[in-house]
Formats: sequence, structure tokens, C-alpha cells
Amino acid sequence: AQTVTQSQPEMSVQEAETVTLSCTYDTSESDYYLFWYKQPPSRQMILVIRQEAYKQQNATENRFSVNFQKAAKSFSLKISDSQLGDAAMYFCADYSPTSGSRLTFGEGTQLTVNP
Amino acid sequence: ETGVTQSPTHLIKTRGQQVTLRCSSQSGHNTVSWYQQALGQGPQFIFQYYREEENGRGNFPPRFSGLQFPNYSSELNVNALELDDSALYLCASSGTPTYEQYFGPGTRLTVT
Repeated sequence: AQTVTQSQPEMSVQEAETVTLSCTYDTSESDYYLFWYKQPPSRQMILVIRQEAYKQQNATENRFSVNFQKAAKSFSLKISDSQLGDAAMYFCADYSPTSGSRLTFGEGTQLTVNP
Repeated sequence: ETGVTQSPTHLIKTRGQQVTLRCSSQSGHNTVSWYQQALGQGPQFIFQYYREEENGRGNFPPRFSGLQFPNYSSELNVNALELDDSALYLCASSGTPTYEQYFGPGTRLTVT
């Protein structure tokens, strides 16, 4: 079974500063993908960034980047130059095509951005 | 390109009743997954439909059932509602690759 753990229920950051959200996962699969999703108060789950496990290079999408440590099964999200619109619940998730084609989510981290 | 849509937005039901939630997948997507998100928790996988067949199921009882139609839209049916069924129900559609799941806005179900 796949499990995803987010140990920070809440985080806060000052506008324009950098914040890192933590995530660890446990899977026995060799082929898997990791994701960070953002869920604002509107409830719509929005994909922020994706990392393929077979890629050593960390994924980057504009102000969002990940630190993927495969041996440690760690997958953190760094948000640079934080903006007020980044305030949301952030979920880490993993997916394996050989393990039911489902996303397995963590419990989430509520990010507050202070002006 | 139309995104994933869900209806209704909100729903209030009484314990013991039955409910049907609907999802229209994004254009070109043939796979629909359903998730239950209890308040303050991460989404939990209910089941997935691929080309009208169930293609995986999470740890949910049989009173949670689903359908997928030829146009790839989908329904989630829940019988004998319980108070713990109160949650946000999310639908996600995907094409190829299936790991790229696009979510709808969800249906908030309240069971009283």
C-alpha cells in the first residue's frame, strides 16, 4: 500500500519570501509519480507540479520547485516569491500505474501568506 | 476545451436516503476517478471508471457504486446514506497518460 505523509498541518510565510512544504511517501513500486496539488477555498484541486520518479532532475514550474530525494522518499515543495494568491491547502500525492491507477493523497498543509 | 464539471454543487440528504452525483469529463478524456474528501482531510480514492468499466476500487463499501456512460460522463451513487458520508466528492478525469488527473469543483454532500 502506498502512504503519503505531510507532517506540517499549517505553515505561514511573508509575502515575497520563500517557504518549503514537506512530504514523505512510502511505496514499493518502481514506477511512480509524485504531485503537489493546491486547493484554494473554491475547493477546485489544481495541479501545481509533477515529478516522475525515474527522473533525477528536480521539477520546476515558475516559482514552484521540488526537492526530490528518492532514497529518503522525500518530496518537498518550495514556493519562491510567495504571493497572496498562493494561500491555500497544499496536498502531496503519489500515483503508480501498477497499483490501481489512483492518486494517494497526504493530509494536507494549510499555507497562509501574510502581507 | 471544457473542463471537468460536477453537479449539483451542494446537496443535503437525510440518513438512509440515496444520492446520485454527476460528473462530466474533460473533452477527450475516457477515464473518470471519484474521491471522497472529509473535512480537514486529504481526498480518498473511491473508484475509477475506464471506458464504462470499473477499473479499480478503494476501501469503500458496496453501497458506493458508479456508472460511466458512452460519452465518458459518470455518476456516483450512494445508498443508505450515513452521517459519515458527509464530505466533498471530487471527480477527476484523465486521458493518456492516466496520471494527469484534472479535477472538477466537487459536490458538497451533507447528511443529516
